[in-house]
Amino acid sequence: DQQVKQNSPSLSVQEGRISILNCDYTNSMFDYFLWYKKYPAEGPTFLISISSIKDKNEDGRFTVFLNKSAKHLSLHIVPSQPGDSAVYFCAASIAAGGTSYGKLTFGQGTILTVHP
Amino acid sequence: DGGITQSPKYLFRKEGQNVTLSCEQNLNHDAMYWYRQDPGQGLRLIYYSQIVNDFQKGDIAEGYSVSREKKESFPLTVTSAQKNPTAFYLCASTQRGVRGIDGYTFGSGTRLTVV
Repeated sequence: DQQVKQNSPSLSVQEGRISILNCDYTNSMFDYFLWYKKYPAEGPTFLISISSIKDKNEDGRFTVFLNKSAKHLSLHIVPSQPGDSAVYFCAASIAAGGTSYGKLTFGQGTILTVHP
Repeated sequence: DGGITQSPKYLFRKEGQNVTLSCEQNLNHDAMYWYRQDPGQGLRLIYYSQIVNDFQKGDIAEGYSVSREKKESFPLTVTSAQKNPTAFYLCASTQRGVRGIDGYTFGSGTRLTVV
């Protein structure tokens, strides 16, 4: 059962435009969400996160939006740059307590290609 | 510089052999994790450990074993019972804190190929 889904395997965007990556989840217990960026043959690097008490978090060119009622989050990259080309994973977790502490559930990833 | 070191970067295993993937961190993180990446399936959790001498099965633990004798080290053994071990393996760690999750720190991964 895939609790975190990224339904778009790939996304192609022109440099300077907005990239929007989407993620859906099914477990209503998730209360902390993260985005990671990954290059081939490397480990993912943390990009941005959001707690369920917020609906938006911004860090430079990156903004994450959370719609709890729809169980949906999105990552906006504005403006997109060729160096943003990578695989983007969304991840979700239950932040407090229990044996799920710290355990992240990842989506399948979306390959973003930004063309010059 | 603090970080996570995974070794080796590439590993080839013959059918029926056990192999051990190394993961060492000097971040003083309490929790460590092993994930497996396959094309189109994202990262799936194999095992995790929140403190020394304790570890828990993840979603796909069959055919794998771990130990956590030291805070810095969390080696993963891929046994001959793992039917499809060819994959990219990632180790991660995080610090327990009030929020608990400010993002994992990942190693650079080990590519395991069965020949």
